[in-house]
Amino acid sequence: GAVVSQHPSWVICKSGTSVKIECRSLDFQATTMFWYRQFPKQSLMLMATSNEGSKATYEQGVEKDKFLINHASLTLSTLTVTSAHPEDSSFYICSAVDRVAQNTGELFFGEGSRLTVL
Amino acid sequence: LAKTTQPISMDSYEGQEVNITCSHNNIATNDYITWYQQFPSQGPRFIIQGYKTKVTNEVASLFIPADRKSSTLSLPRVSLSDTAVYYCLVGDIGPARQLTFGSGTQLTVLP
Repeated sequence: GAVVSQHPSWVICKSGTSVKIECRSLDFQATTMFWYRQFPKQSLMLMATSNEGSKATYEQGVEKDKFLINHASLTLSTLTVTSAHPEDSSFYICSAVDRVAQNTGELFFGEGSRLTVL
Repeated sequence: LAKTTQPISMDSYEGQEVNITCSHNNIATNDYITWYQQFPSQGPRFIIQGYKTKVTNEVASLFIPADRKSSTLSLPRVSLSDTAVYYCLVGDIGPARQLTFGSGTQLTVLP
């Protein structure tokens, strides 16, 4: 099946630093990728929609200058948490839409990246 | 986007059939119903998808009544490893789709 890989799977950083999380589709091309955030015991919350070659579309309440999303190729999207603070500590998950099978409805999710900001 | 309502939690025993029902009263004509499974600290995993009537695959069945205002995920003979959160999502399946995750159902399978 289609595989989406995230890196790193976990990261610990100091407050004020920036952290980049990568999301790669390993065996398919993804025209669209989604970034979610999940706090403990809560559901996934959509942060933004990333389309290859264009600017990301952010959900209401998500600061685009704080959560920088780049989707420079059909297999890679990155989320950079800038000037991270402890409240940004969360589980970040990406998902991807297969360009070839984009009307099948199935989303492929990454394994998630756990960010802890000290 | 259609809002979904699911039970917060369910308990079952190994070997039993588990049915999780999801309500989606304002489902649109173009919307499909998709179920995902999520284990702790992992990304969600696709289980099954349907539009109407019944869909069955190797892991589950999905029952959708004619009015499509609800759906039921059926897991046959659950095992301990089926303990997870199950999400019901409703939306269209085109390339620009955005899926909104509801609260999900925490299924706990007991020995």
